[in-house]
Amino acid sequence: EDKVVQSPLSLVVHEGDTVTLNCSYEVTNFRSLLWYKQEKKAPTFLFMLTSSGIEKKSGRLSSILDKKELFSILNITATQTGDSAIYLCARDGQNFVFGPGTRLSVLP
Amino acid sequence: GAVVSQHPSRVICKSGTSVKIECRSLDFQATTMFWYRQFPKQSLMLMATSNEGSKATYEQGVEKDKFLINHASLTLSTLTVTSAHPEDSSFYICSAGNLRGSHTEAFFGQGTRLTVV
Repeated sequence: EDKVVQSPLSLVVHEGDTVTLNCSYEVTNFRSLLWYKQEKKAPTFLFMLTSSGIEKKSGRLSSILDKKELFSILNITATQTGDSAIYLCARDGQNFVFGPGTRLSVLP
Repeated sequence: GAVVSQHPSRVICKSGTSVKIECRSLDFQATTMFWYRQFPKQSLMLMATSNEGSKATYEQGVEKDKFLINHASLTLSTLTVTSAHPEDSSFYICSAGNLRGSHTEAFFGQGTRLTVV
């Protein structure tokens, strides 16, 4: 059964903290691992990862994939209250499978 | 990134009526369209996957006769909720898959909040 697991499911930090979100998946015709940020409406795309060990970076966000261990992490440094959201990872393979999401709350 | 337009963004309908939601990829040809449902404070649940010109593949537990999906062209897919009931009230989101090399990158529509009264 296709499964994507995220941890933690919920996280509360203070502004300025660094957070690491985890995503592990089962490999079924793996093509890529994607990260999304969801605030009030539809998710917005963050990263697509296809190769192991290559870090993708966008401002304070970065992500990396380990295809051998079947996981990815999303790092957010110097968090701000605007980073509060649900972060979803999804595995693109035979179909798209989303994880349950990590609800991040950044307190001022 | 690519643009996917979904409308209506919000609809209220009476129980027993049907509602159609449209999803358009505006600047690319979507080889695959995905339809999701999301309940409050829960993750996205994939309902069905459709490829242009072929029948949609529904996830287990999703009634295909109730949630009709049409993917008539590479830029348009529609989801029709037939004979809607209050329990169908939810947030419906489409995403259009853009095939880039051997990988599909999915871009989301804005979502449709359906309320059945």
